Amino acid sequence: QKEVEQNSGPLSVPEGAIASLNCTYSDRGSQSFFWYRQYSGKSPELIMFIYSNGDKEDGRFTAQLNKASQYVSLLIRDSQPSDSATYLCAVNIEGSNYKLTFGKGTLLTVNP
Amino acid sequence: DGGITQSPKYLFRKEGQNVTLSCEQNLNHDAMYWYRQDPGQGLRLIYYSQIVNDFQKGDIAEGYSVSREKKESFPLTVTSAQKNPTAFYLCASSNGDSGNTIYFGEGSWLTVV
Repeated sequence: QKEVEQNSGPLSVPEGAIASLNCTYSDRGSQSFFWYRQYSGKSPELIMFIYSNGDKEDGRFTAQLNKASQYVSLLIRDSQPSDSATYLCAVNIEGSNYKLTFGKGTLLTVNP
Repeated sequence: DGGITQSPKYLFRKEGQNVTLSCEQNLNHDAMYWYRQDPGQGLRLIYYSQIVNDFQKGDIAEGYSVSREKKESFPLTVTSAQKNPTAFYLCASSNGDSGNTIYFGEGSWLTVV
């Protein structure tokens, strides 16, 4: 069973701090990695994707991938109350025919 | 506007009834998906389709059926065989590039009454 694991949280950070969200995956054949944000009662929206080892930055968001250790993380700088949501990690596993496997998500709360 | 349209947004089903959730996309994406999300849980794949007139079962296909007669449309039928259908249903699509980025519709809430 291919698995994607996330700490369910809640993760609570003060406004302006850096929020760090982590995700581990079991299949070494995994190729592409995605972070989605989901507000309560809404559908997931893509934040960013990464498929090369290292860091990828997009505004206040940085995705970090380490394939040797099989983890991917998302850093949110200068966290805002509007960042409060559940963050879903998703992995495109090799040979999975276009399917993504999702983690259960980490609930982030940013306190004003 | 380009996007994925799901309807209805809210649906109530009586015991023993079949219901169909609509999903239409105008993004010209080849692949379409149906996911189910239960409260506090992650997304679980029900069915997916990579091309017209072809689809594959996901992890929880029992009690569900789909069709893919047109590239733009991928309706999901929740049959009476699905014993616990109350959930948030998400339709998604992708074009296979950028590592197969999947985009979601707004979702449909199904409640059994």
